[in-house]
Amino acid sequence: DAGVIQSPRHEVTEMGQEVTLRCKPISGHNSLFWYRQTMMRGLELLIYFNNNVPIDDSGMPEDRFSAKMPNASFSTLKIQPSEPRDSAVYFCASSPPEGDTQYFGPGTRLTVL
Amino acid sequence: AQSVTQPDIHITVSEGASLELRCNYSYGATPYLFWYVQSPGQGLQLLLKYFSGDTLVQGIKGFEAEFKRSQSSFNLRKPSVHWSDAAEYFCAVDLSGNTGKLIFGQGTTLQVKP
Repeated sequence: DAGVIQSPRHEVTEMGQEVTLRCKPISGHNSLFWYRQTMMRGLELLIYFNNNVPIDDSGMPEDRFSAKMPNASFSTLKIQPSEPRDSAVYFCASSPPEGDTQYFGPGTRLTVL
Repeated sequence: AQSVTQPDIHITVSEGASLELRCNYSYGATPYLFWYVQSPGQGLQLLLKYFSGDTLVQGIKGFEAEFKRSQSSFNLRKPSVHWSDAAEYFCAVDLSGNTGKLIFGQGTTLQVKP
């Protein structure tokens, strides 16, 4: 199994630009999670989906952030417009129907200049 | 407020020495408890988890953790640390009963001296 796949691994952009982060969960998993990791705030859950439906987006910082899961094998996290304070590592994780364990991708390191 | 606390931000131990990383949670009931490890530039990997039953759980890489209800703690231990254990360790709780919505502690960075 390839594990959770995230792309790109690194993204450098300028303030005001749109950023799209992508995630392919492990095949057969039906829950998908987006996290943000910063030195100041640690690991924060942004949003999670179950069977492609957003269940809890209370962690999404503001309207500039949006996430979609059009099908069971793909999800995006979009930031528009991006700001320097969005610089962080963004992780995607997925878990199987029986729940419990989340499997994390390698993360996308985002730098907004 | 419900929270997870890892009191030690950074710990250094000598290779071969024993290790204990502390984790405390603040919650009325017993949550689902997890320990994850993150190597530099990598995602998080599950070491072990506790849902119910035996309060001493065994994980991968020789790690174990003990749930103590009276202390609201779930400390991670390893009898003999290897240089490859140097990483960041996160304690996490699922307060909603295995929904997958995890709250993470701030993490403890482990450095291993030769």
